[in-house]
Amino acid sequence: NAGVTQTPKFRILKIGQSMTLQCTQDMNHNYMYWYRQDPGMGLKLIYYSVGAGITDKGEVPNGYNVSRSTTEDFPLRLELAAPSQTSVYFCASGRTYEQYFGPGTRLTVT
Amino acid sequence: AQKVTQAQTEISVVEKEDVTLDCVYETRDTTYYLFWYKQPPSGELVFLIRRNSFDEQNEISGRYSWNFQKSTSSFNFTITASQVVDSAVYFCALSEAERDDKIIFGKGTRLHILP
Repeated sequence: NAGVTQTPKFRILKIGQSMTLQCTQDMNHNYMYWYRQDPGMGLKLIYYSVGAGITDKGEVPNGYNVSRSTTEDFPLRLELAAPSQTSVYFCASGRTYEQYFGPGTRLTVT
Repeated sequence: AQKVTQAQTEISVVEKEDVTLDCVYETRDTTYYLFWYKQPPSGELVFLIRRNSFDEQNEISGRYSWNFQKSTSSFNFTITASQVVDSAVYFCALSEAERDDKIIFGKGTRLHILP
Protein backbone atom coordinates (compact mmCIF):
# COMPACT_ATOMS: atom_id res chain seq x y z
CA ASN A 1 0.00 0.00 0.00
CA ALA A 2 1.78 3.14 -1.25
CA GLY A 3 -0.34 5.72 0.63
CA VAL A 4 0.40 9.24 -0.63
CA THR A 5 3.13 9.62 -3.22
CA GLN A 6 4.66 12.85 -4.49
CA THR A 7 6.92 13.56 -7.44
CA PRO A 8 9.48 14.96 -7.86
CA LYS A 9 11.34 14.85 -4.55
CA PHE A 10 13.57 17.78 -5.43
CA ARG A 11 13.43 20.46 -8.09
CA ILE A 12 15.24 23.67 -8.93
CA LEU A 13 13.37 26.20 -11.04
CA LYS A 14 14.43 29.46 -12.58
CA ILE A 15 12.29 32.53 -11.96
CA GLY A 16 9.36 32.59 -14.36
CA GLN A 17 9.41 28.88 -15.16
CA SER A 18 6.39 26.66 -14.65
CA MET A 19 6.01 23.20 -13.21
CA THR A 20 3.50 20.75 -11.81
CA LEU A 21 3.93 18.92 -8.54
CA GLN A 22 2.26 15.54 -8.69
CA CYS A 23 0.35 13.90 -5.84
CA THR A 24 -1.37 10.52 -5.92
CA GLN A 25 -3.13 8.57 -3.19
CA ASP A 26 -4.37 4.99 -3.31
CA MET A 27 -6.65 5.05 -0.26
CA ASN A 28 -9.76 6.26 -2.08
CA HIS A 29 -9.93 9.40 0.03
CA ASN A 30 -12.21 12.17 -1.15
CA TYR A 31 -10.33 14.88 0.73
CA MET A 32 -6.89 15.98 -0.47
CA TYR A 33 -4.69 18.91 0.52
CA TRP A 34 -1.59 20.83 -0.49
CA TYR A 35 0.56 22.49 2.16
CA ARG A 36 3.79 24.42 1.99
CA GLN A 37 6.40 24.56 4.73
CA ASP A 38 8.79 27.48 4.76
CA PRO A 39 12.06 27.21 6.71
CA GLY A 40 11.45 27.28 10.46
CA MET A 41 7.71 27.45 10.02
CA GLY A 42 4.72 25.18 10.29
CA LEU A 43 2.65 24.04 7.35
CA LYS A 44 0.28 26.41 5.60
CA LEU A 45 -2.64 25.23 3.49
CA ILE A 46 -2.46 26.22 -0.19
CA TYR A 47 -5.47 24.45 -1.73
CA TYR A 48 -7.70 21.56 -0.84
CA SER A 49 -10.28 19.37 -2.53
CA VAL A 50 -13.29 17.60 -1.06
CA GLY A 51 -13.78 15.38 -4.10
CA ALA A 52 -13.18 15.01 -7.80
CA GLY A 53 -14.10 18.22 -9.61
CA ILE A 54 -14.19 20.33 -6.42
CA THR A 55 -11.34 22.51 -5.21
CA ASP A 56 -11.06 25.47 -2.86
CA LYS A 57 -8.46 27.94 -1.68
CA GLY A 58 -6.61 27.61 1.55
CA GLU A 59 -4.58 30.18 3.45
CA VAL A 60 -1.89 30.92 0.80
CA PRO A 61 -3.27 30.16 -2.71
CA ASN A 62 -1.67 33.02 -4.69
CA GLY A 63 0.68 31.84 -7.41
CA TYR A 64 -0.75 28.31 -7.53
CA ASN A 65 -3.46 26.41 -9.32
CA VAL A 66 -4.93 22.97 -8.77
CA SER A 67 -7.23 20.54 -10.49
CA ARG A 68 -8.92 17.33 -9.37
CA SER A 69 -10.13 15.25 -12.26
CA THR A 70 -9.86 11.92 -10.44
CA THR A 71 -10.11 10.78 -6.84
CA GLU A 72 -6.51 9.60 -6.87
CA ASP A 73 -4.67 12.62 -8.27
CA PHE A 74 -4.35 16.20 -7.06
CA PRO A 75 -1.63 18.07 -8.99
CA LEU A 76 -0.39 21.51 -7.95
CA ARG A 77 0.65 23.91 -10.70
CA LEU A 78 3.09 26.80 -10.40
CA GLU A 79 2.71 29.05 -13.45
CA LEU A 80 5.38 31.73 -12.98
CA ALA A 81 7.80 30.60 -10.32
CA ALA A 82 9.04 33.25 -7.89
CA PRO A 83 11.74 33.05 -5.19
CA SER A 84 9.00 33.36 -2.56
CA GLN A 85 7.76 29.93 -3.63
CA THR A 86 10.95 28.27 -2.46
CA SER A 87 9.60 25.83 0.08
CA VAL A 88 8.86 22.21 0.88
CA TYR A 89 5.49 21.12 -0.45
CA PHE A 90 3.44 18.40 1.23
CA CYS A 91 0.40 16.69 -0.18
CA ALA A 92 -2.03 14.96 2.15
CA SER A 93 -5.26 12.99 1.95
CA GLY A 94 -7.86 11.89 4.46
CA ARG A 95 -10.21 13.59 6.86
CA THR A 96 -10.04 15.79 9.97
CA TYR A 97 -9.27 12.96 12.28
CA GLU A 98 -6.78 11.20 10.05
CA GLN A 99 -4.59 12.85 7.43
CA TYR A 100 -1.86 10.98 5.62
CA PHE A 101 1.06 13.02 4.36
CA GLY A 102 3.30 12.40 1.40
CA PRO A 103 7.09 12.60 1.73
CA GLY A 104 7.28 16.16 0.39
CA THR A 105 8.79 17.96 -2.60
CA ARG A 106 11.65 20.36 -1.94
CA LEU A 107 11.45 23.22 -4.45
CA THR A 108 14.03 25.95 -4.93
CA VAL A 109 13.38 28.94 -7.18
CA THR A 110 16.46 30.94 -8.19
CA ALA B 1 -10.37 32.23 14.75
CA GLN B 2 -8.27 29.10 14.62
CA LYS B 3 -4.79 29.48 16.01
CA VAL B 4 -2.10 27.21 17.39
CA THR B 5 0.75 28.65 19.42
CA GLN B 6 3.94 26.81 20.23
CA ALA B 7 5.84 29.37 22.24
CA GLN B 8 9.02 27.31 22.51
CA THR B 9 10.96 27.75 19.28
CA GLU B 10 13.88 25.56 20.25
CA ILE B 11 14.70 23.37 23.25
CA SER B 12 17.88 21.51 24.15
CA VAL B 13 18.08 18.88 26.84
CA VAL B 14 20.57 16.23 27.78
CA GLU B 15 19.69 12.64 26.99
CA LYS B 16 17.55 10.90 29.63
CA GLU B 17 16.03 14.15 30.83
CA ASP B 18 12.28 14.67 30.62
CA VAL B 19 11.04 17.45 28.36
CA THR B 20 7.62 19.04 27.84
CA LEU B 21 6.57 20.76 24.64
CA ASP B 22 3.81 23.32 25.07
CA CYS B 23 0.85 23.89 22.78
CA VAL B 24 -1.94 26.42 23.22
CA TYR B 25 -4.84 26.62 20.80
CA GLU B 26 -7.74 28.91 19.98
CA THR B 27 -11.02 27.84 18.44
CA ARG B 28 -14.65 28.93 18.35
CA ASP B 29 -15.94 25.43 17.77
CA THR B 30 -16.98 22.89 20.35
CA THR B 31 -15.98 19.98 18.14
CA TYR B 32 -12.37 19.90 17.12
CA TYR B 33 -9.31 17.69 16.89
CA LEU B 34 -5.81 18.23 18.17
CA PHE B 35 -2.72 16.55 16.78
CA TRP B 36 0.98 16.20 17.36
CA TYR B 37 3.34 15.42 14.50
CA LYS B 38 7.05 14.71 14.52
CA GLN B 39 9.32 15.86 11.70
CA PRO B 40 12.73 14.18 11.95
CA PRO B 41 15.75 15.54 10.04
CA SER B 42 14.75 13.38 7.06
CA GLY B 43 11.79 15.72 6.57
CA GLU B 44 8.72 13.49 6.57
CA LEU B 45 5.78 14.13 8.87
CA VAL B 46 5.12 11.39 11.38
CA PHE B 47 1.72 11.29 13.04
CA LEU B 48 1.97 10.86 16.82
CA ILE B 49 -1.47 11.39 18.31
CA ARG B 50 -4.96 12.70 17.67
CA ARG B 51 -7.33 13.82 20.39
CA ASN B 52 -10.92 14.99 19.93
CA SER B 53 -12.41 17.81 21.97
CA PHE B 54 -14.71 15.53 23.94
CA ASP B 55 -11.97 13.31 25.24
CA GLU B 56 -9.88 14.99 27.93
CA GLN B 57 -8.24 11.85 29.15
CA ASN B 58 -4.50 12.05 29.21
CA GLU B 59 -2.70 9.50 27.11
CA ILE B 60 0.54 7.64 27.52
CA SER B 61 2.35 5.74 24.81
CA GLY B 62 5.67 4.39 25.96
CA ARG B 63 7.89 7.36 26.77
CA TYR B 64 5.38 9.81 25.28
CA SER B 65 2.48 11.36 27.14
CA TRP B 66 -0.03 14.06 26.35
CA ASN B 67 -1.91 16.37 28.70
CA PHE B 68 -5.09 17.86 27.24
CA GLN B 69 -6.74 20.61 29.30
CA LYS B 70 -9.72 22.38 27.80
CA SER B 71 -9.84 24.86 30.68
CA THR B 72 -6.51 26.32 29.57
CA SER B 73 -6.81 25.40 25.86
CA SER B 74 -3.60 23.46 26.06
CA PHE B 75 -2.38 20.16 24.66
CA ASN B 76 1.12 19.60 25.98
CA PHE B 77 3.46 16.78 25.02
CA THR B 78 5.99 15.21 27.38
CA ILE B 79 8.86 12.92 26.47
CA THR B 80 10.17 10.95 29.42
CA ALA B 81 13.78 9.77 29.51
CA SER B 82 14.56 11.46 26.21
CA GLN B 83 16.77 9.81 23.62
CA VAL B 84 18.89 11.22 20.82
CA VAL B 85 16.43 9.75 18.30
CA ASP B 86 13.78 12.09 19.70
CA SER B 87 15.63 15.02 18.15
CA ALA B 88 13.20 16.53 15.65
CA VAL B 89 10.77 19.34 15.05
CA TYR B 90 7.44 18.73 16.72
CA PHE B 91 4.24 20.32 15.46
CA CYS B 92 0.99 20.77 17.28
CA ALA B 93 -2.07 21.16 15.05
CA LEU B 94 -5.79 21.88 15.26
CA SER B 95 -8.70 20.98 13.03
CA GLU B 96 -12.25 22.21 13.44
CA ALA B 97 -14.60 19.47 12.36
CA GLU B 98 -17.03 21.78 10.59
CA ARG B 99 -14.48 23.62 8.46
CA ASP B 100 -13.75 21.22 5.63
CA ASP B 101 -11.26 19.32 7.71
CA LYS B 102 -8.44 21.79 7.31
CA ILE B 103 -5.59 21.37 9.74
CA ILE B 104 -3.91 24.48 11.15
CA PHE B 105 -0.34 23.92 12.30
CA GLY B 106 1.72 25.68 14.92
CA LYS B 107 5.18 26.88 13.97
CA GLY B 108 6.83 23.93 15.62
CA THR B 109 9.34 23.35 18.39
CA ARG B 110 12.80 22.15 17.43
CA LEU B 111 14.00 19.66 20.04
CA HIS B 112 17.68 18.83 20.43
CA ILE B 113 18.58 15.85 22.59
CA LEU B 114 22.24 16.07 23.49
CA PRO B 115 24.20 12.86 24.12
